[in-house]
Order: sequence, then structure tokens, then C-alpha cells
Amino acid sequence: GQSLEQPSEVTAVEGAIVQINCTYQTSGFYGLSWYQQHDGGAPTFLSYNALDGLEETGRFSSFLSRSDSYGYLLLQELQMKDSASYFCAGSDSWGKLQFGAGTQVVVTP
Amino acid sequence: DTAVSQTPKYLVTQMGNDKSIKCEQNLGHDTMYWYKQDSKKFLKIMFSYNNKELIINETVPNRFSPKSPDKAHLNLHINSLELGDSAVYFCASSGGRISSYEQYFGPGTRLTVT
Repeated sequence: GQSLEQPSEVTAVEGAIVQINCTYQTSGFYGLSWYQQHDGGAPTFLSYNALDGLEETGRFSSFLSRSDSYGYLLLQELQMKDSASYFCAGSDSWGKLQFGAGTQVVVTP
Repeated sequence: DTAVSQTPKYLVTQMGNDKSIKCEQNLGHDTMYWYKQDSKKFLKIMFSYNNKELIINETVPNRFSPKSPDKAHLNLHINSLELGDSAVYFCASSGGRISSYEQYFGPGTRLTVT
């Protein structure tokens, strides 16, 4: 199985940069995904890293280091609409996605 | 057109009852999933079907029984509902097992057991 750890909450002001770290312990680890979920909404896919390095998608970037069993999601130029929960999730060879407990990002004016 | 849809959106019922949640996806995906999200927002996989075949069956009470009549539909039937079953249940789909990292979620079904 897998276990993933991420901070429970991060607070930042509009325009700032936020980094959400995720450490994992896994067997059969394939890659690390990131999902965003607004209150009352469904999780939506943001990014995926199968290989070491940085993946950039607009204001969001995700990083993976397999040797360190570590990844992060970087949110740049924070906007109020970025206030949400962010989940890291590890995938395995069976197609199972194991989610971390989520990080609540609070953006203040 | 909604990609992954679930019915009902809200379900309030009493302990001991039996209820079903339905899920449909129009993305042409091969793999579908059921997740349970508790009050602390912890999202846990329950089941997964690939082309109507059960491929993931997590440690879930056998009161929960999934059924996939075809690869576009995945239903969840729950017998003898208990208070602890209160949660939001999400259906999701992906292109296949290999692309399980990118899943498309339905809007969720908020189940309240009284």
C-alpha cells in the first residue's frame, strides 16, 4: 500500500506563491498526481509526474523526486479562486490512486 | 454534456435501509471507480471496474456491492445502512488502468444516514 503526507493547511495572500509538499511511502509506486477540490465540489485533476523533475501547467507546477519519495505542487500568482483543498495522490501498477489527507489553501486579500 | 454524472445528488435515509447510487460516464473511458469522502475530507477508494471487470476491491464491508452493467455505468448498492456510512460518495472514471493518475470525478452523492 501507500501512505502520503501533506500539510493540513496553508494560508497566503493574493499574488503570493505557495508550495504544498507531499512525501510518500509506497510499494509499486508509478507516479504522483495532484487534485484540487473546492468546498462542495468534486476533485479535479491538476497535474501528474511520472518522472523526476518539474511539470508546468500555467500558474501551477508540480515536481517529483523519486529518490527522495517527495513531490510538491507550486501555486503562483495566487488568486482568491485558488482557495480550495489540494490533494496529492500516488498511483500504482494496479491502477489504484491513493490520496493524501489534503491541504486546505486559504487565500486572503 | 456532463462527463461523469451521479444520481441522486443528496440521499437522506434511516439506519437499516437499502439504497443505490448510480453513475454514468460519457467519456468513453474503460475504468470506473467509487470513492468515499468522510467528514475530514479523506478520500478513499472503494472499488474499481475495468471494462465491467472488478479490479480493485478495498477493505469495504460486504454491505456495499458495486455493479457495472456496461463500461459506461457503475452503480453502488448499500444494504442495511449504518450511521458511519454517512459521507460523500464520488464516482470517477479514467481512460484505463494505466491512466488511473488522471481521473474525472462526478459531482458526488451526499449520503446522510439518520
